[in-house]
Amino acid sequence: DAGITQSPRHKVTETGTPVTLRCHQTENHRYMYWYRQDPGHGLRLIHYSYGVKDTDKGEVSDGYSVSRSKTEDFLLTLESATSSQTSVYFCAISLTSGNNEQFFGPGTRLTVL
Amino acid sequence: QQQVKQSPQSLIVQKGGISIINCAYENTAFDYFPWYQQFPGKGPALLIAIRPDVSEKKEGRFTISFNKSAKQFSLHIMDSQPGDSATYFCASTGTASKLTFGTGTRLQVTL
Repeated sequence: DAGITQSPRHKVTETGTPVTLRCHQTENHRYMYWYRQDPGHGLRLIHYSYGVKDTDKGEVSDGYSVSRSKTEDFLLTLESATSSQTSVYFCAISLTSGNNEQFFGPGTRLTVL
Repeated sequence: QQQVKQSPQSLIVQKGGISIINCAYENTAFDYFPWYQQFPGKGPALLIAIRPDVSEKKEGRFTISFNKSAKQFSLHIMDSQPGDSATYFCASTGTASKLTFGTGTRLQVTL
């Protein structure tokens, strides 16, 4: 998985609790992304980062925040988890912007009860 | 708002047959068209990609055909094998390197 780890790999939580997912890379890639994958929707971009402390919203950013204090770590926080945020979350990295390959992590399966 | 439409949702092909998956995009600013392959429990991985200055790209058994005027592109898997059974996603990107994915096609190759 191109030097990308995600933690935890599985999590069950209750509605209303905050949740933080971590993406760690050892490739020193500048760009990092968070996606969610749901049946019938493919992968949808939540937030992305183009450098330390530089982030921007994606297609489905409501209810999520991100932080990137180091090149290697990109955190996704669900401020108050809801059942609609039950999903599989993937982190991806890319060396440059534009038409460049994105490498995906193994995913985190999150269930919100 | 779906900007990349993918079909079919699922596909069953016999071993040795040709698998064809189609995608259509809306945004004429898109200029990079990758296909990703995903096995159960794994993250997607880049399979093959094309830019709009060519109409076809082939890598082994995998070919992308691109029709700029129709805003469509397709993945052809020749001599399909059981090991090709996976979910395939088309995607498109323009500026800011943000990928827009199709909804995926689950391919099953039978013996």
